[in-house]
Amino acid sequence: DAGVTQSPTHLIKTRGQQVTLRCSPKSGHDTVSWYQQALGQGPQFIFQYYEEEERQRGNFPDRFSGHQFPNYSSELNVNALLLGDSALYLCASSFGYRTYGYTFGSGTRLTVV
Amino acid sequence: SQQGEEDPQALSIQEGENATMNCSYKTSINNLQWYRQNSGRGLVHLILIRSNEREKHSGRLRVTLDTSKKSSSLLITASRAADTASYFCATDLEGAQKLVFGQGTRLTINP
Repeated sequence: DAGVTQSPTHLIKTRGQQVTLRCSPKSGHDTVSWYQQALGQGPQFIFQYYEEEERQRGNFPDRFSGHQFPNYSSELNVNALLLGDSALYLCASSFGYRTYGYTFGSGTRLTVV
Repeated sequence: SQQGEEDPQALSIQEGENATMNCSYKTSINNLQWYRQNSGRGLVHLILIRSNEREKHSGRLRVTLDTSKKSSSLLITASRAADTASYFCATDLEGAQKLVFGQGTRLTINP
């Protein structure tokens, strides 16, 4: 039973560029949440998708956007990258728009130079 | 901003000793969860305690919750080198439908 899969694992981008991160949820899960984790900090909630709609959003600018597909997979897009966007981006899946039973992926390490 | 604040930020103990980490939060919760993270990779769910529970056990883990003080503690007994990791508390806020994480405690178990 595959867990949460995130791609790519590492990424280096230049300031001002755009990036797309991908997440495939655990089998049987239909809700995807995205978190940003700066070095030495706790994960910060970006947004959550359920039934292909953004249901909850954290305190992140509109440069951060996402999408959920009919197969429940999800993308996180960040436009106009800033140096401060360098972080580990974590995807978590769960079932039925619940806040328990989360399974996390291993994350995408984004470095903006 | 972070909902939970953890204490201590870092903890170093000898193998076999017990490790205690604390988490304080600010607003009413549905439940509180503890996660472990190894070397900056994905988080692993350890244990969940609901707002109407006061104590919960899972193997070598013991979690307590005091809703009047808005605080929780995680006790790891008989620590092992493999317990070396960062530990985070996460609160499920009432009416918010999202998990909010604390800053974490970095635990080092010395052989």
